[in-house]
Amino acid sequence: RKEVEQDPGPFNVPEGATVAFNCTYSNSASQSFFWYRQDCRKEPKLLMSVYSSGNEDGRFTAQLNRASQYISLLIRDSKLSDSATYLCVVTLTTGNQFYFGTGTSLTVIP
Amino acid sequence: EAQVTQNPRYLITVTGKKLTVTCSQNMNHEYMSWYRQDPGLGLRQIYYSMNVEVTDKGDVPEGYKVSRKEKRNFPLILESPSPNQTSLYFCASSFISPTGAGEQYFGPGTRLTVT
Repeated sequence: RKEVEQDPGPFNVPEGATVAFNCTYSNSASQSFFWYRQDCRKEPKLLMSVYSSGNEDGRFTAQLNRASQYISLLIRDSKLSDSATYLCVVTLTTGNQFYFGTGTSLTVIP
Repeated sequence: EAQVTQNPRYLITVTGKKLTVTCSQNMNHEYMSWYRQDPGLGLRQIYYSMNVEVTDKGDVPEGYKVSRKEKRNFPLILESPSPNQTSLYFCASSFISPTGAGEQYFGPGTRLTVT
């Protein structure tokens, strides 16, 4: 069973749309949660950490639901530059071993 | 400029020929890690290191070795590469907080082909 599961998409949305991604994790002892962004053939880069109370960074909002073991990412007012693959990342209790989802592909269309 | 560097960026080699991929960071990070990325499987952690001389296995350590003799360097060694180790490899580093490793900074990747 995979530690982290994501819908691979692709999600194709028009500019200005709101899009949401979910990610489920299997281990209830998971400790830290992140969303990374990866552009084609490039290295992943941190988009945002996910905190228990939820957090927002501009057009991006991340939520954590420990009871149902999922995290979500909401992107409002999508821009062409948001086109990328979004990776859900989870660490276990020790906080030192990282598990990545396979990523969700987003294309924002003009 | 704060960065993680990897070398080489591209490598084609033959089965059984030992190789080393270097990784270096200039941010004084305690934590360093190696990942491989394969289509449909995502990034999988190979090895990680909490500090000098401290290394631990990740999810897919078989066929790989690492060492951490200096804080800034974390080389990945393939003693006898096989075709199933053909992949895109990323090195990453981060500071360690009370809850563990935090935001990871990734190197540009090394594309390895083993024939």
